[in-house]
Amino acid sequence: EAGVAQSPRYKIIEKRQSVAFWCNPISGHATLYWYQQILGQGPKLLIQFQNNGVVDDSQLPKDRFSAERLKGVDSTLKIQPAKLEDSAVYLCASSLVGSGTQYFGPGTRLTVL
Amino acid sequence: RKEVEQDPGPFNVPEGATVAFNCTYSNSASQSFFWYRQDCRKEPKLLMSVYSSGNEDGRFTAQLNRASQYISLLIRDSKLSDSATYLCVVIVTGGGNKLTFGTGTQLKVEL
Repeated sequence: EAGVAQSPRYKIIEKRQSVAFWCNPISGHATLYWYQQILGQGPKLLIQFQNNGVVDDSQLPKDRFSAERLKGVDSTLKIQPAKLEDSAVYLCASSLVGSGTQYFGPGTRLTVL
Repeated sequence: RKEVEQDPGPFNVPEGATVAFNCTYSNSASQSFFWYRQDCRKEPKLLMSVYSSGNEDGRFTAQLNRASQYISLLIRDSKLSDSATYLCVVIVTGGGNKLTFGTGTQLKVEL
């Protein structure tokens, strides 16, 4: 069974530039999560989707971050404009509805210079 | 106070030792609990769920104390391969699961 796919794996940009990350969850997983993990910290939930609807985006900095899951499968997370403090690993995870077991992708390591 | 707190460590233990981690949570409405393991520069992976009655999986034992609002993970007979960061996860259900990770506890098992 294919796992959660993410791309790109690494991205280096300058501050004030824009960047987008892509995630393809495990087939059949209706719930999709985006996390930000700063070095030395646990993952912080940015947004949770169930199918194409947003369940929780309370910790998403909406002035610069946006996410969508238009067809209820793939998702993109965008940062515009990026700040130095956005340097982190962005993890995507998916799960079956109602399950606490999440499967994570390999993450995208973002460096903002 | 953070919603989910863990001692960041690192815990440096010799091979074969028994080590225990605690994780405290602040929301009494929390209903589901998990331990994840994260290797250096890798993604988190589920280690085990935590059930009310406590549960064991080989050398790993997880316990829940609702009254004191903490969960624990005990690792017996530590192996070098157990070296990783252990993350606790707390879920508040209802209206969509609200899921919070702790900051993680780093374990280093040494020869």
